[in-house]
Amino acid sequence: GAVVSQHPSRVICKSGTSVKIECRSLDFQATTMFWYRQFPKQSLMLMATSNEGSKATYEQGVEKDKFLINHASLTLSTLTVTSAHPEDSSFYICSAIVAASAKNIQYFGAGTRLSVL
Amino acid sequence: GQQVMQIPQYQHVQEGEDFTTYCNSSTTLSNIQWYKQRPGGHPVFLIQLVKSGEVKKQKRLTFQFGEAKKNSSLHITATQTTDVGTYFCAVQTGANNLFFGTGTRLTVIP
Repeated sequence: GAVVSQHPSRVICKSGTSVKIECRSLDFQATTMFWYRQFPKQSLMLMATSNEGSKATYEQGVEKDKFLINHASLTLSTLTVTSAHPEDSSFYICSAIVAASAKNIQYFGAGTRLSVL
Repeated sequence: GQQVMQIPQYQHVQEGEDFTTYCNSSTTLSNIQWYKQRPGGHPVFLIQLVKSGEVKKQKRLTFQFGEAKKNSSLHITATQTTDVGTYFCAVQTGANNLFFGTGTRLTVIP
């Protein structure tokens, strides 16, 4: 159980375009989802915490107008990278926590590799 | 702010040798989690430690939580090529947020 689906797995786009990434919890409800960015050979850096029905909480240094997060339902959160530039190229991974679970275990999606030309 | 260091950063071992990675925090932790990320893959939850001095085993993997709850270790006995990947410890910050350590990249030479 606790499967998280992330789509697309790979995106190549031109500079200036916007890219939307979806994160779905397939077999559970997730009131909280997380978005991370991971540069090559580095650790995961939390970008924002996405809460169903409310505004996302962004980490320091992450532009909320650049990385739009929407968590409209208990099974879906989306991250939109607006006006992407080459420096936004990275591996973006979402994770989700099972709603009402006492265990703070995060289940990760497969990630989206974004390449901005 | 939260600081979590893992050592070593990289480790190359011959298949069959043991491997250990250490995670050290600057603050006392409520719990600690370990994740494994295969090359090109995503992190997968391995275990959560909560109690001071706790030791848990999963087949060839042994996880320890320090008595002071400031450090933890992951030990793999007799490594196999399937153990290749990066091992991250992660500590809880705030209500649900996790702060990931720097990771230890393990290479197993057949």
